[in-house]
Amino acid sequence: EVQLVESGGGLVQPGGSLRLSCVASGFKFTTYWMTWVRQAPGKGLEWVANIKQDGSDKYYADSVKGRFFISRDNAGNSVYLQMNSLRAEDTAVYYCTREFYYWGQGILVTVSS
Amino acid sequence: SYELTQPPSVSVFPGQTATISCSGNELSRQYGLWCQQKPGQAPVLVLYKDSERPSGIPERFSGSNSGTTVTLTISGVQPEDEADYYCLSADSTSTWVFGGGTKLTVL
Repeated sequence: EVQLVESGGGLVQPGGSLRLSCVASGFKFTTYWMTWVRQAPGKGLEWVANIKQDGSDKYYADSVKGRFFISRDNAGNSVYLQMNSLRAEDTAVYYCTREFYYWGQGILVTVSS
Repeated sequence: SYELTQPPSVSVFPGQTATISCSGNELSRQYGLWCQQKPGQAPVLVLYKDSERPSGIPERFSGSNSGTTVTLTISGVQPEDEADYYCLSADSTSTWVFGGGTKLTVL
């Protein structure tokens, strides 16, 4: 059974940093791109970033470019999202997804003073 | 920046056919995907490569691509199909974009 489990969310002050983790199981992790998607309260889905199987290619939404950084640890079947210089508008539920086919349950990030 | 345009809402009676469109210039070169999201739940992929159904998705979900528009069709809508539906597609720069979402109401 494919599982994606996010962790690392919580409350952070504007300008702060947070690192999200997603641990994958039930499939060959090295075969797939991995993606982060977010959803602000009451809003639609927003693609955030993705990373190639070997980590050699990474792409970001304009809204997070230069502040968020995606990485992966293939030995540990994990993908990460390092979020820096956080803003109120980054408040959202963050989902880890395997090529949009499988999704984690989501983790809430709240940026507020 | 690249955008995908969906109608905000669609309403149908049970048993009728619901169609949800999604327009974007890159859809003539890129596949469209569709995700279903019910309140408080993670999204679920219902179509990929314009019209392919993941395992477990009912046959009443189908899709098409007519150039710059992809369409999700739900035939014989069931009450449990009430949800938000999002199209998404890659753009020419290897990034991805979601449409704004369509709320499907089953009357």
